[in-house]
Amino acid sequence: AQSVAQPEDQVNVAEGNPLTVKCTYSVSGNPYLFWYVQYPNRGLQFLLKYITGDNLVKGSYGFEAEFNKSQTSFHLKKPSALVSDSALYFCAVRPVTGGGNKLTFGTGTQLKVEL
Amino acid sequence: KAGVTQTPRYLIKTRGQQVTLSCSPISGHRSVSWYQQTPGQGLQFLFEYFSETQRNKGNFPGRFSGRQFSNSRSEMNVSTLELGDSALYLCASSPYLSGGSGTEAFFGQGTRLTVV
Repeated sequence: AQSVAQPEDQVNVAEGNPLTVKCTYSVSGNPYLFWYVQYPNRGLQFLLKYITGDNLVKGSYGFEAEFNKSQTSFHLKKPSALVSDSALYFCAVRPVTGGGNKLTFGTGTQLKVEL
Repeated sequence: KAGVTQTPRYLIKTRGQQVTLSCSPISGHRSVSWYQQTPGQGLQFLFEYFSETQRNKGNFPGRFSGRQFSNSRSEMNVSTLELGDSALYLCASSPYLSGGSGTEAFFGQGTRLTVV
């Protein structure tokens, strides 16, 4: 069975500063890893994914994430945060083989960017 | 290209009633998955349908069921509603049944179900 841990319920950062939202995972075999963002009363919006290849993946709105196989981590980063980045962020994992499209999500991290 | 459409957006039901939620996937997508989102349990997988067949199922009681039609539209049904069924129900569509594809799932806006 797979699992995802997002150790921080909330991350606070000042606008213009870099941000990191942490994610570690557990899965049998190789993983597909995803980050989604959710704004209030909305569905999930895809940000980026790791499939294979480069450990640093770039996504929407200036976000990027670094895949670290030895540490089983996939932390989300952005060099310069914006107030509009304030939202709920979810990390998700899916095994490469088996399980169809079933995603296992972390508990979410509330990002608050302040002026 | 239209996104994933879920109807209705909001629903209020009474305990003991049953409810049906609808999801229209992105055109050409054949896989539809359903998730329940609550403050206490987070996002939990309900089931996945592909080509009108249930392919995966989460750990939910039999009161939760679904189906998929030949045009890939899907419905989920919850019978004998309980207060704890109050949640945001999200539908996600994907073009394939994974099989090594790293394609991401696309989510709808969700249906907010309140059971009173």
